[in-house]
Amino acid sequence: GQQVMQIPQYQHVQEGEDFTTYCNSSTTLSNIQWYKQRPGGHPVFLIQLVKSGEVKKQKRLTFQFGEAKKNSSLHITATQTTDVGTYFCAGRETSGSRLTFGEGTQLTVNP
Amino acid sequence: NAGVTQTPKFQVLKTGQSMTLQCAQDMNHEYMSWYRQDPGMGLRLIHYSVGAGITDQGEVPNGYNVSRSTTEDFPLRLLSAAPSQTSVYFCASSSSGRLEAFFGQGTRLTVV
Repeated sequence: GQQVMQIPQYQHVQEGEDFTTYCNSSTTLSNIQWYKQRPGGHPVFLIQLVKSGEVKKQKRLTFQFGEAKKNSSLHITATQTTDVGTYFCAGRETSGSRLTFGEGTQLTVNP
Repeated sequence: NAGVTQTPKFQVLKTGQSMTLQCAQDMNHEYMSWYRQDPGMGLRLIHYSVGAGITDQGEVPNGYNVSRSTTEDFPLRLLSAAPSQTSVYFCASSSSGRLEAFFGQGTRLTVV
């Protein structure tokens, strides 16, 4: 079945440093979504990428979808303490409706 | 508009007990799913439904049953609880399975 792998599992940064998490799928995806989960909370949708090579920005967050639609990345510029949480990618196969989540990257930001 | 509502928020069960985790959404979403979240393992799909009367298994379905008699409700049943089912359970819904998933607040389940 489809597998979605995400690295790194943990990332500790100083406030102001950049952060990147990477997501790789074993199969071609129809779209990929990114979610953020604050400590003790539930996942909250950030964005969806659909097109090959797509790049989207939300303020300090930049999301990319690979040309082959099998990988994606989330980059945060100049992290802030409010960025703390776990970031998940979730991929949907071209042939199905299931959403498969990666293991997540837990980000801590030291002030 | 409450979104996705899960009950209970916390539950402690003894091994062998059964229980039902409730999930309801008021957004008229066709697609609903149950995930469990364990440290270092992300969100793993247990069961999902693409509409009333239709359910299918996810990655980790063993020990769990679901039904979808209405669009709004998607309960998850633990038949005979085991310590390995200690986890945080999330219910999610989305429209047509294509757009963003809305998650409930989660149920923290401990099986002793």
